[in-house]
Amino acid sequence: KQEVTQIPAALSVPEGENLVLNCSFTDSAIYNLQWFRQDPGKGLTSLLLIQSSQREQTSGRLNASLDKSSGRSTLYIAASQPGDSATYLCAVRYNFNKFYFGSGTKLNVKP
Amino acid sequence: EAGVAQSPRYKIIEKRQSVAFWCNPISGHATLYWYQQILGQGPKLLIQFQNNGVVDDSQLPKDRFSAERLKGVDSTLKIQPAKLEDSAVYLCASSPTSGSFYEQYFGPGTRLTVT
Repeated sequence: KQEVTQIPAALSVPEGENLVLNCSFTDSAIYNLQWFRQDPGKGLTSLLLIQSSQREQTSGRLNASLDKSSGRSTLYIAASQPGDSATYLCAVRYNFNKFYFGSGTKLNVKP
Repeated sequence: EAGVAQSPRYKIIEKRQSVAFWCNPISGHATLYWYQQILGQGPKLLIQFQNNGVVDDSQLPKDRFSAERLKGVDSTLKIQPAKLEDSAVYLCASSPTSGSFYEQYFGPGTRLTVT
């Protein structure tokens, strides 16, 4: 059974700090992995998508890495800002119709 | 480019009543997904459509939930009768089936409260 786990469930950091969010998955035969951001009362916004053949993707202050052999992905946020406060979700796709979400990490960046 | 549209945004009903949610995907996206997100959890896929055909509905409680996408564009998800445990946010997403490696784009969701 494929499972996706995100640790920690919640994280609080001071503004300006660099931070890492973790996502682990049990089955390494993935097609791709996608990181999302969810603000309260809102839908999900796609941040980064990493194909199984890639090691990392970058967008602005965000960098996502993928290590299939260890079943792990990390989302690195540089120089965090209060506007980064949200819940961050990772989702693993195994094929066209098998797609599993983690339960998310709720991030609070304090001014 | 317009995003995924959903309505209503909020709905409060009593248990045993019925409710319907509507979703209009991004123009040209052949794949449409309905998810259920219970508070504190990640979204769970309920049903996936490719055009107007069902690709996967293995996690859809078919005794009370139904969904359709008759013309391969917009979609409706129905719950009849609703239970207390159906209280959740119902998210609709769409993706192209070529290019973008099935990247999903989400709507704002419908928050359902069953009392």
